Amino acid sequence: EVQLVESGGGLVQPGGSLRLSCAASGFTFSSYAMSWVRQAPGKGLEWVSAISGSGGSTYYADSVKGRFTISRDNSKNTLYLQMNSLRAEDTAVYYCAKDFQRQLTTFLIDYWGQGTLVTVSS
Amino acid sequence: DIQMTQSPSSLSASVGDRVTITCRASQGIRNDLGWYQQKPGKAPKRLIYAASSLQSGVPSRFSGSGSGTEFTLTISSLQPEDFATYYCLQHNSYPPKFGQGTKVEIK
Repeated sequence: EVQLVESGGGLVQPGGSLRLSCAASGFTFSSYAMSWVRQAPGKGLEWVSAISGSGGSTYYADSVKGRFTISRDNSKNTLYLQMNSLRAEDTAVYYCAKDFQRQLTTFLIDYWGQGTLVTVSS
Repeated sequence: DIQMTQSPSSLSASVGDRVTITCRASQGIRNDLGWYQQKPGKAPKRLIYAASSLQSGVPSRFSGSGSGTEFTLTISSLQPEDFATYYCLQHNSYPPKFGQGTKVEIK
């Protein structure tokens, strides 16, 4: 059974940093691209970033480019999102998500974690 | 970037009603579209992929159709557990883009 468990969310001041983690199990982690998707309170879903299975290719939404860094440790089956220069508009639940297709980055999500809340406020 | 326009943003329906939700892409995306259901406080769940393929375990009252720029999600007979928010996702090109969502409420 695929399981994705996010951690690392919390309250941070504007301009601060936070690192999210996602522990994956139930599938061959290194074979699948992974994404982060966020949802601001009461709003819709916004794709944030993705990384290929090997970690060699990364992708970002314009809204976070230059501030967020996605990475993965395939030996630990863990996905990360380093968030710097945080703004109030980054406040959201952040979901870790698995790509549908083995060995390809399709951006089509088939499994989601339960999410971790990031609140940016002074 | 490809933009996705989802409509309606909300609808009220009764149990047993047929419900249709539409997503339009600003340019052709072949059939690279998925549909997701999200209930309050929960993670989204995939219903449909490749525009019309039903995810394993999803009831057959859900169906998807379309190709190119216009896509629909249909619930043939609305059940109490179907009241939720539905999103489309285009994954034809980077960056992937979700529709704005359709909230299906009880009439």
